[in-house]
Amino acid sequence: AQSVTQPDIHITVSEGASLELRCNYSYGATPYLFWYVQSPGQGLQLLLKYFSGDTLVQGIKGFEAEFKRSQSSFNLRKPSVHWSDAAEYFCAVGARSGGGADGLTFGKGTHLIIQP
Amino acid sequence: KAGVTQTPRYLIKTRGQQVTLSCSPISGHRSVSWYQQTPGQGLQFLFEYFSETQRNKGNFPGRFSGRQFSNSRSEMNVSTLELGDSALYLCASRDRGIGTDTQYFGPGTRLTVL
Repeated sequence: AQSVTQPDIHITVSEGASLELRCNYSYGATPYLFWYVQSPGQGLQLLLKYFSGDTLVQGIKGFEAEFKRSQSSFNLRKPSVHWSDAAEYFCAVGARSGGGADGLTFGKGTHLIIQP
Repeated sequence: KAGVTQTPRYLIKTRGQQVTLSCSPISGHRSVSWYQQTPGQGLQFLFEYFSETQRNKGNFPGRFSGRQFSNSRSEMNVSTLELGDSALYLCASRDRGIGTDTQYFGPGTRLTVL
């Protein structure tokens, strides 16, 4: 069974500083990988996704993530955070099941706090 | 395109009651997935519907059920509510294609069971 680990429950970053959120996955083959962001009381917004090809993917709001097969990681980065980036961030893995219908497996999330 | 819509946004029920939640996917998407989000268990997959058929189901009791209509709108039903069913229920509209498989989430329905 697939699984996702986000080692950091909380991260505090100063506004303007760089950010890296960690994500490790367990899956038998190359999965689909996603990062979502959730603001309080809201649904999940897709930041970026990896299916194949270039291992460095660009997303919305200035975020990027790098897929490293050897480390089973898909870390999310942003060079300079803004106060509006404060939110909960979820890494998710989806199975490449062809015609199958599988749900996403999510990590527990990382709560990002931005200090002024 | 309009996003995923979920109704109602908030619900308060008492134990033993049943509840029905509704989800309208993004136009053109034929697949709808449902997830439960709680502080303790996080985000968990409930089930997915595609072309009015349940394609897969997560590890939830039979009290949780769903259906999909010909216009791709989906409903999920929870019978005999328990306190532990209090959660944010998220619907996702799934865009499947060659080399792509992405789920777009709605704002959720916050269910409180008293």
